[in-house]
Amino acid sequence: NAGVMQNPRHLVRRRGQEARLRCSPMKGHSHVYWYRQLPEEGLKFMVYLQKENIIDESGMPKERFSAEFPKEGPSILRIQQVVRGDSAAYFCASSPRPFLNTGELFFGEGSRLTVL
Amino acid sequence: SQQGEEDPQALSIQEGENATMNCSYKTSINNLQWYRQNSGRGLVHLILIRSNEREKHSGRLRVTLDTSKKSSSLLITASRAADTASYFCATIEGNAGNMLTFGGGTRLMVKP
Repeated sequence: NAGVMQNPRHLVRRRGQEARLRCSPMKGHSHVYWYRQLPEEGLKFMVYLQKENIIDESGMPKERFSAEFPKEGPSILRIQQVVRGDSAAYFCASSPRPFLNTGELFFGEGSRLTVL
Repeated sequence: SQQGEEDPQALSIQEGENATMNCSYKTSINNLQWYRQNSGRGLVHLILIRSNEREKHSGRLRVTLDTSKKSSSLLITASRAADTASYFCATIEGNAGNMLTFGGGTRLMVKP
């Protein structure tokens, strides 16, 4: 049973370009969470999605960032017009039910974005 | 400021010694979890302790929770070099069920 799959693992973009990060949750999981981790820091919640719905985006920056989780295919975190401050590791996690009920999140290996 | 704050930020010990990491939080919680992160990797769930529990064990891990002091500790006994990693506590705040809030982490180095 494959775990949470994220790609690309590493992404380099120049300022002003777009970054697209993909996350395929574990089989049977329909709840996806995105977190951002700056160097030497903990993870910060960004957004929680269920298939075709954004449930909680309270951690998403108001501009340039968007997320989706379509009926078919992976969840996508999209960052438009990237700036150097967007350089970070972006982690996706999934759970079979809202994790408040299960208590545990399963994390992917992360996508490391570097903005030149 | 972060809900969970780990202490110390960094810890270096010899193999075979015990490692203790502490976590403090600010608001009421439903449960508290500890995760481990190897350098450059994702997070791995270690153990969850619910707000009505005081202590929990899993292998060489022992977690305590003191809700009156809003604090938790993670003890790794008989540490191994392979335990070298960052350890994070995470909480679900009482009214924010969608959000698992992480502390800044303790970077543990176990020297062989």
